This record gives sequence, structure tokens and C-alpha cells, in this order.
Amino acid sequence: DTAVSQTPKYLVTQMGNDKSIKCEQNLGHDTMYWYKQDSKKFLKIMFSYNNKELIINETVPNRFSPKSPDKAHLNLHINSLELGDSAVYFCASSQGRGEAFFGQGTRLTVV
Amino acid sequence: AQSVSQHNHHVILSEAASLELGCNYSYGGTVNLFWYVQYPGQHLQLLLKYFSGDPLVKGIKGFEAEFIKSKFSFNLRKPSVQWSDTAEYFCAGAGNTPLVFGKGTRLSVIA
Repeated sequence: DTAVSQTPKYLVTQMGNDKSIKCEQNLGHDTMYWYKQDSKKFLKIMFSYNNKELIINETVPNRFSPKSPDKAHLNLHINSLELGDSAVYFCASSQGRGEAFFGQGTRLTVV
Repeated sequence: AQSVSQHNHHVILSEAASLELGCNYSYGGTVNLFWYVQYPGQHLQLLLKYFSGDPLVKGIKGFEAEFIKSKFSFNLRKPSVQWSDTAEYFCAGAGNTPLVFGKGTRLSVIA
């Protein structure tokens, strides 16, 4: 009964491919996030989404797009993958501005 | 812009030494503050949080943090560290924008 689950845990793919990472939360939270953690451990917010508003970090390339089929899911789709996209991607959820609960992370390697 | 800064990049301590990690925030208005820990190869876990009330908050594993509004600080402390505290520590804040993280501080505890 994992609170925030994301799949896959590891993803290795070639440049130019399109891939998706799935995220689901069973906490009933109203807000979900995607973060990118680079090799220096810096956590950069990519998207924040609730059922009313999508907030996009303006520095995120438009090759990245969040897709939310319902309140409990926020998937991340990436087009035309590049080497620099290699990182660990974390999904998280919160109720409003409360504490965020994180998934286990997806380590993406682009070769 | 709302931001969180951590000035210590890497801290090395001997077991039983006392710990203080600095965190400063820049927010206009009400802010919720958090400290998260990331053990090697794992996801982020909440150590403690401050929303309002008593500025000294206690978290898990003997950690505490003090909110000092006049200094815009929310430093993390622990009286006596253990080898198992070796991890990456992140300060984070949530105001009118989604949860934003500092760059993290790596703590290495040596025997």
C-alpha cells in the first residue's frame, strides 16, 4: 500500500526516443509534483498540478509534458530524449502546502 | 522570487559530534518550512516541518529545527550524530508557489 508509487524504477533508452513515467498516489492529495534530481543532487521542480491549476517551471523544455488522467495520477511524458535528460525523476504529492510525500524515483539514463 | 538556500555543501563530522545545518528562506508572506533527508539510493523522507506556533520543532531520529523569523532561518540541529545519519539533507519551503528545495547539504559521519 505504497503512498506514492512511480514506474518504472529504472529506464534506459536511446536519444531521440519518447518515454513516459507513471505516478500514482493513494493519499487523496489534491496536488502532485514532478521533480528532477541531477547528478549533484539538486532537486528542481518541473511541474506542480492540482485539479485546478498546472504550474510549469518555465525552464523546463516543452519536450516534457505532464498528463493527469485523474486526481490520483500524474504521468510524465518526454519527447525526443536527450543525453542531458539523464537524471532521477521524483513524483510527489501533498495536500495544499502541506508536506510532500515522495515516490521511490525513476532513474532515467539516455544513451 | 521565493527561494530556499543552504550554505553548507558538504559537512563532515565525527560520531557524537553536534550538528547544525543552515537554511535561509526568502518568501513574502506565510511560508511552511520543511527538512527532508535522503539516504543513499533512496527517496526523500520528511524529518520535520514548521507551519506555525512553537518555533522550535522536533522531528524524527532526534532532529530539531528552529524557525527564526527575524533571521529568515530554519536551521536543523542534532545534539549527537550517528554514522547512520550519513545522508543528503534538504531544506524546503512552500508559500504561494509549490514546494521549493535548497541545493542540499551532504552530511558524512565518520567513526
